[in-house]
Amino acid sequence: DAKTTQPNSMESNEEEPVHLPCNHSTISGTDYIHWYRQLPSQGPEYVIHGLTSNVNNRMASLAIAEDRKSSTLILHRATLRDAAVYYCILRDGAGGTSYGKLTFGQGTILTVHP
Amino acid sequence: GAGVSQSPSNKVTEKGKDVELRCDPISGHTALYWYRQSLGQGLEFLIYFQGNSAPDKSGLPSDRFSAERTGGSVSTLTIQRTQQEDSAVYLCASSLDRGRSTEAFFGQGTRLTVV
Repeated sequence: DAKTTQPNSMESNEEEPVHLPCNHSTISGTDYIHWYRQLPSQGPEYVIHGLTSNVNNRMASLAIAEDRKSSTLILHRATLRDAAVYYCILRDGAGGTSYGKLTFGQGTILTVHP
Repeated sequence: GAGVSQSPSNKVTEKGKDVELRCDPISGHTALYWYRQSLGQGLEFLIYFQGNSAPDKSGLPSDRFSAERTGGSVSTLTIQRTQQEDSAVYLCASSLDRGRSTEAFFGQGTRLTVV
């Protein structure tokens, strides 16, 4: 499985933007970049995904580097409810038994200060 | 139901006993995933199903662990002769299919404690 690298932790202040980086230098041309987050004592929840172009939804924006070797999840205005572990995942697109598999790394612990 | 349902939400069992964990995916979702999360750790992939078949069982830690899915819907994860190191939160997720662009929906998990 192609791997991702994220900082162990980041901090932000409430109402400020947050940029969460992810490196995935071994990404293949068919892998989608997915982001999930896990709030305390809950199962992970989907945030956003993309392939090549930048993506926006109601939760966040995803900026993908032109060479696709890195991406950044952007929370435009952090709230206390955004405090969570954020996971950057490459969804396997190579086919075979691992097609579609979601492999989680350690993620980034985001702390939001009031 | 509206989401992925897992039962029981909590299970305490004695070492050496067998346990069964149940996952009800979202109706119509063909892909189903099992993960394990030990305290303070990330998610460890166990197995996933496409329909009733399991293309990837690579994450099952030992032959004490098995899973099945019937009717393309409900899945059961069975742990035989439980050990204390099996204590963890077991999470199930489903997605419409295993396509690269589909999102997965997670249940709240089953917290297993082996005493």
